[in-house]
Amino acid sequence: DADVTQTPRNRITKTGKRIMLECSQTKGHDRMYWYRQDPGLGLRLIYYSFDVKDINKGEISDGYSVSRQAQAKFSLSLESAIPNQTALYFCATSVGDIQYFGAGTRLSVL
Amino acid sequence: KQEVTQIPAALSVPEGENLVLNCSFTDSAIYNLQWFRQDPGKGLTSLLLIQSSQREQTSGRLNASLDKSSGRSTLYIAASQPGDSATYLCAVLSNDYKLSFGAGTTVTVRA
Repeated sequence: DADVTQTPRNRITKTGKRIMLECSQTKGHDRMYWYRQDPGLGLRLIYYSFDVKDINKGEISDGYSVSRQAQAKFSLSLESAIPNQTALYFCATSVGDIQYFGAGTRLSVL
Repeated sequence: KQEVTQIPAALSVPEGENLVLNCSFTDSAIYNLQWFRQDPGKGLTSLLLIQSSQREQTSGRLNASLDKSSGRSTLYIAASQPGDSATYLCAVLSNDYKLSFGAGTTVTVRA
């Protein structure tokens, strides 16, 4: 199985602060994804990358940016955090048709 | 845009009863459909994946069916146990390799 590691696991920040969530994977998968999960809404796609030079917006990219530093690393940034970005964030990688998820980062914006 | 709906949103059953979880999707042009399990505050664990050409998949007490033409999938869990208590998510992979999720069904199995 893919080993997908997200850091930090929990983070509390204040409105207006810049914050970065990091994701790394050990299996060399080309495709990586960032999702957010809100209660009652399921997971929604923020950004995805099919290789190091390919970055694409998902359905809710406003207020977020990403960086694919290497095949194994895909970071999500909130340039100026706001309270409605409080959510559970997941990174995923895929090989073939199967996606493997990290344990998630719980972010609270006060 | 693919829309995925899961019904019911929550389900509570006594131990030993069979569980039936429903998932529907609006665009039948899919590569596959996947069922995940999520425990509180945890990540997602893949349970079953059904390719678009398949009608069902089975793993132990779990069986998932797929009717692509009608945009429906059903997850059956036989002889439920308290350890089956979790949220179950349905997700469909579209032709652009994007995964669309339903909101999930939260299951409670009472001992």
